[in-house]
Amino acid sequence: AQSVTQLDSHVSVSEGTPVLLRCNYSSSYSPSLFWYVQHPNKGLQLLLKYTSAATLVKGINGFEAEFKKSETSFHLTKPSAHMSDAAEYFCVVTLAGTALIFGKGTTLSVSS
Amino acid sequence: GAGVSQSPRYKVAKRGQDVALRCDPISGHVSLFWYQQALGQGPEFLTYFQNEAQLDKSGLPSDRFFAERPEGSVSTLKIQRTQQEDSAVYLCASSFLGAGTNSPLHFGNGTRLTVT
Repeated sequence: AQSVTQLDSHVSVSEGTPVLLRCNYSSSYSPSLFWYVQHPNKGLQLLLKYTSAATLVKGINGFEAEFKKSETSFHLTKPSAHMSDAAEYFCVVTLAGTALIFGKGTTLSVSS
Repeated sequence: GAGVSQSPRYKVAKRGQDVALRCDPISGHVSLFWYQQALGQGPEFLTYFQNEAQLDKSGLPSDRFFAERPEGSVSTLKIQRTQQEDSAVYLCASSFLGAGTNSPLHFGNGTRLTVT
């Protein structure tokens, strides 16, 4: 069965510094991987998705993620954090014909 | 609007009451999913519809939970004899294509259920 593990439940950064949110996946076959963001009292929004094309995936708001099969990782990065990036981030995996499986989430805090 | 709409936004129920939560997916979307998100946790899969067919209900936690999508559009999640552990945000999502495809999910803002 497929699953994802988000290695940090909480990440704190200063505005203008880089962001790294870590995710490892487990899947017997080639998965599709996603990052979703959830702002307080808002719906989940898709940041980016990996679907076996390019291993470096660019998403919205300056985020990107790199699929590394050898490390079974799909870490989310951003060069420079903004206050508006403070939110809950979910790493998500799916296989063909199955529903999305969410990680437990990482809370990103951004201080000025 | 063009997004997934869920109602009510908030629901408070006394333990033992039945509740019904509604989801209006994006028009034309084939797939519809229900997720349960407990406080501080990631969303947990409940059930999945492709058009009117319920293809996967493996995530429903008990037989008190029932979902339907009779005409392949609007869906209702019903919880009978609510218990305190049912308190959570219930999220609905729809996608243009089937589960597990590259078609992204569009989520509603959820219904926050509190069972007292």
